[in-house]
Amino acid sequence: DAKTTQPPSMDCAEGRAANLPCNHSTISGNEYVYWYRQIHSQGPQYIIHGLKNNETNEMASLIITEDRKSSTLILPHATLRDTAVYYCIVPGGTSYGKLTFGQGTILTVHP
Amino acid sequence: EPEVTQTPSHQVTQMGQEVILRCVPISNHLYFYWYRQILGQKVEFLVSFYNNEISEKSEIFDDQFSVERPDGSNFTLKIRSTKLEDSAMYFCASKPRQGSYEQYFGPGTRLTVT
Repeated sequence: DAKTTQPPSMDCAEGRAANLPCNHSTISGNEYVYWYRQIHSQGPQYIIHGLKNNETNEMASLIITEDRKSSTLILPHATLRDTAVYYCIVPGGTSYGKLTFGQGTILTVHP
Repeated sequence: EPEVTQTPSHQVTQMGQEVILRCVPISNHLYFYWYRQILGQKVEFLVSFYNNEISEKSEIFDDQFSVERPDGSNFTLKIRSTKLEDSAMYFCASKPRQGSYEQYFGPGTRLTVT
């Protein structure tokens, strides 16, 4: 799996956009970027993934730089329930789908 | 919306005892996983299971661990002789198809070994 680097923690005010960065400079051409989150000891939850184009779903947007060496997960209107650990994962293509979690970014949304 | 379920939510056992953690993956999913998370640490991959056999396992998944899909719905993780260091949250996950890393996780079983 390509190595990813995320800030250990971030804060965001409720109602504002939360922008979570991830560096994955060793990503190869056919590897996707996946984002998961884990709300306090619950099971991780899939958010979104992308290859090179920007992606949006009902939960978030994913912006991937043109060189694909970094990405940003955007929660457009953060709520208190978005407080969680956010994981950026670049899975390798040779395994049977296992996910390798790093430490992630602890996002705290303040009232 | 379909979801992965796990039972029990909390299991307390004594060192050396066998435990079985149970999971019901989403019904049309074909790939199944177990992960664990020791308190305050990262989520760690244990094993993946496809077509009724283990497809990949980590170094953590030693001879004390086994997995089984005894029927069409359940997926179990057995620890034969628990150790104190097996205390952790155990998460089951499933996904519908090859080529995707979009996995659906259960709520976890908290295993406490005393």
